[in-house]
Amino acid sequence: EPEVTQTPSHQVTQMGQEVILRCVPISNHLYFYWYRQILGQKVEFLVSFYNNEISEKSEIFDDQFSVERPDGSNFTLKIRSTKLEDSAMYFCASRDRGRQPQHFGDGTRLSIL
Amino acid sequence: KQEVTQIPAALSVPEGENLVLNCSFTDSAIYNLQWFRQDPGKGLTSLLLIQSSQREQTSGRLNASLDKSSGRSTLYIAASQPGDSATYLCAVTNTGNQFYFGTGTSLTVIP
Repeated sequence: EPEVTQTPSHQVTQMGQEVILRCVPISNHLYFYWYRQILGQKVEFLVSFYNNEISEKSEIFDDQFSVERPDGSNFTLKIRSTKLEDSAMYFCASRDRGRQPQHFGDGTRLSIL
Repeated sequence: KQEVTQIPAALSVPEGENLVLNCSFTDSAIYNLQWFRQDPGKGLTSLLLIQSSQREQTSGRLNASLDKSSGRSTLYIAASQPGDSATYLCAVTNTGNQFYFGTGTSLTVIP
């Protein structure tokens, strides 16, 4: 069964550095998402992406964050000037057109030191 | 803003028992509702998706119901097995994009 893949599985970065999290959505899905889950807390929506532009974003997704679909397969989340509170599990998801379910990857655990 | 609540926070049952997990949401104008399973250190596995116009969805031993007017959904698991042990998350969206998640119910099925 097709799946969403995320790399790396664990990323350790010094505070203040930039980090790029990578995702390969399910082939021919059209809608892409990033979520985060701080340890012990709810999964929180960050951003949705369709037709090469952001369609929705939460208040968490400020100027520190950006997303990109650089080619036909990858979907990336860039976090600039990382802070300690950015430490979390980051999940990528994708879905097909219409009222279809979102499919999630296994996540990238981001640790900011 | 949509708020999603799940009760109980944790549940422990003997193998074979039927059980119900509850989810409530504050804004009934939902687009759809999705139930997920999350295993420790893993991503979210989609279990069932209920559209706003539907009352229930079934997959194997799982049955999810939706009562939009009262802002509630239940996930019924029949004949529970140890392999069902996981955290179950309910998520709703008003637009088809941004999902609002509950904090989940941690289920332990005792052999």
